Amino acid sequence: GENVEQHPSTLSVQEGDSAVIKCTYSDSASNYFPWYKQELGKRPQLIIDIRSNVGEKKDQRIAVTLNKTAKHFSLHITETQPEDSAVYFCAATLSGYALNFGKGTSLLVTP
Amino acid sequence: AAGVIQSPRHLIKEKRETATLKCYPISRHDTVYWYQQGPGQDPQFLISFYEKMQSDKGSIPDRFSAQQFSDYHSELNMSSLELGDSALYFCASSYDRSEQYFGPGTRLTVT
Repeated sequence: GENVEQHPSTLSVQEGDSAVIKCTYSDSASNYFPWYKQELGKRPQLIIDIRSNVGEKKDQRIAVTLNKTAKHFSLHITETQPEDSAVYFCAATLSGYALNFGKGTSLLVTP
Repeated sequence: AAGVIQSPRHLIKEKRETATLKCYPISRHDTVYWYQQGPGQDPQFLISFYEKMQSDKGSIPDRFSAQQFSDYHSELNMSSLELGDSALYFCASSYDRSEQYFGPGTRLTVT
């Protein structure tokens, strides 16, 4: 089955700095890579996703890159704000199937 | 548009009791997924349904069962509850093999 590894497990940045979270996956059949933000006790919230036919996608301060050859994808958050503080999960799957999550990255943005 | 609805939001049960969790997917979504999330862990896939048929099975204990009804709502039935079943249970729904949107979750506490 699919195995997703996520690094780092914790990340602390100053407000206004950039944050990068990296994930690798094992199953070359995976073609859908979403990122979720989860605040304590709340639901995972989809913030951005990318499909295997695209190398990069951007939405305002958030961007995701995908390297299919190396089987890794990354989340980039620019101009971080305190409200970006949360746990971020990457996931990989074949479209329509269950999400295989990474272990999560706890991001802390300090003012 | 209304999001995924889950009920109850909180549930306290004793060991060996049974519990039923309900999920109402987003209107016109054809797939429902159930995930279990322990404290400090990533969501783990349990089971999914596509057009009212079981489509995929993950790490769901034999004590658990689930079904999807004609109105597309789904129920997760849990029997012989154990202390280790205490977790957040999320339901997610999607349409046409696209993005998965999570409900607010049910927090199950087994005492």
